[in-house]
Amino acid sequence: GQSLEQPSEVTAVEGAIVQINCTYQTSGFYGLSWYQQHDGGAPTFLSYNALDGLEETGRFSSFLSRSDSYGYLLLQELQMKDSASYFCAPRGSQGNLIFGKGTKLSVKP
Amino acid sequence: KAGVTQTPRYLIKTRGQQVTLSCSPISGHRSVSWYQQTPGQGLQFLFEYFSETQRNKGNFPGRFSGRQFSNSRSEMNVSTLELGDSALYLCASSSGTGVVEAFFGQGTRLTVV
Repeated sequence: GQSLEQPSEVTAVEGAIVQINCTYQTSGFYGLSWYQQHDGGAPTFLSYNALDGLEETGRFSSFLSRSDSYGYLLLQELQMKDSASYFCAPRGSQGNLIFGKGTKLSVKP
Repeated sequence: KAGVTQTPRYLIKTRGQQVTLSCSPISGHRSVSWYQQTPGQGLQFLFEYFSETQRNKGNFPGRFSGRQFSNSRSEMNVSTLELGDSALYLCASSSGTGVVEAFFGQGTRLTVV
């Protein structure tokens, strides 16, 4: 079977660093993507990890450990505009992205 | 280039009716996936089409169906609508299957009354 776990909500203050964890179980695994979705908006691609390690894109970094079926998204120097839902999405053997309920991040002033 | 276009943006239907939603992918993209988003279940995969063929299907009843045309535009149909079908239906396009980055449309908000 397949499963996906992320915290449902996270709150942080402007300028802080926040880490959103993701554990997954899929039949086959080809990589882990992260998407951001603002209220009322469409999900947009943030990052992708195919191999173990850290990928950095500006203020955002994403990490993957294939042996632990675990990844995280790290957001630094938080800004109010980072308030959104964040989805980790493993790609399973069938090729499609597997999303879950996501993590709602609230950034406070 | 133009993004993914979904029509209509909003729809209200009555229980028992059927509905057809449309998705025009980014020009040149041949893969279209459909997702249902609800507060309780998050984003759930419905199906994926590539070159007019259904490649993958999620765990939804047979009332949910789709198709893809030769120009890569895709439609999904839901028959015998139930109240629980009220959701945001999102379409995502990518240049091929298994491609890392998918581009989502703004979605169709379906309300079943």
